[in-house]
Amino acid sequence: AQTVTQSQPEMSVQEAETVTLSCTYDTSESDYYLFWYKQPPSRQMILVIRQEAYKQQNATENRFSVNFQKAAKSFSLKISDSQLGDAAMYFCAYRINYQLIWGAGTKLIIKP
Amino acid sequence: DVKVTQSSRYLVKRTGEKVFLECVQDMDHENMFWYRQDPGLGLRLIYFSYDVKMKEKGDIPEGYSVSREKKERFSLILESASTNQTSMYLCASRETSGTSYNEQFFGPGTRLTVL
Repeated sequence: AQTVTQSQPEMSVQEAETVTLSCTYDTSESDYYLFWYKQPPSRQMILVIRQEAYKQQNATENRFSVNFQKAAKSFSLKISDSQLGDAAMYFCAYRINYQLIWGAGTKLIIKP
Repeated sequence: DVKVTQSSRYLVKRTGEKVFLECVQDMDHENMFWYRQDPGLGLRLIYFSYDVKMKEKGDIPEGYSVSREKKERFSLILESASTNQTSMYLCASRETSGTSYNEQFFGPGTRLTVL
């Protein structure tokens, strides 16, 4: 069965610094999709970044980038120049068919 | 912009009551989903619908049912609410045309408390 593990329940980072959130997953598939979603306090879940497994190049979206290691089944999220608005729960998810399999989430705290 | 709305942000019900949670999306998306979100457990799929009148059980369907009579609306029903169904419920929708990894768009959530 596919599983997604986020081993860091909580992380904190100083404003303007860089932080990396980890995610590992388990699958026997060779082609799949991975996502990072963000859920700010009392606000809606939104997509941060996505990666197709067959693409070797790591996805980037402005200050957000991923380190995708297919052999290691690792999909970490790097946030550069952290801002107060980045404070949120971050969820890693793996897509199979119609469904997303979700990690437990990492709470990111930004210290001013 | 895609908009997914849920009928209530907060809901308090009594044990044994029948509860309806409504979700509406305005972008003609084929797929719709109901999740339950609990601390430390992430999101767990209750049911999803890949088109009108079509539904599939997710990982935790027990105690829940769904209805999708119109494309834009997906309802979650708790036939007889129990205290262990106290949770945050999230609705999402997704289109299936175009790129195959289209994101899911989420509603604001309904925090349900069953007393």
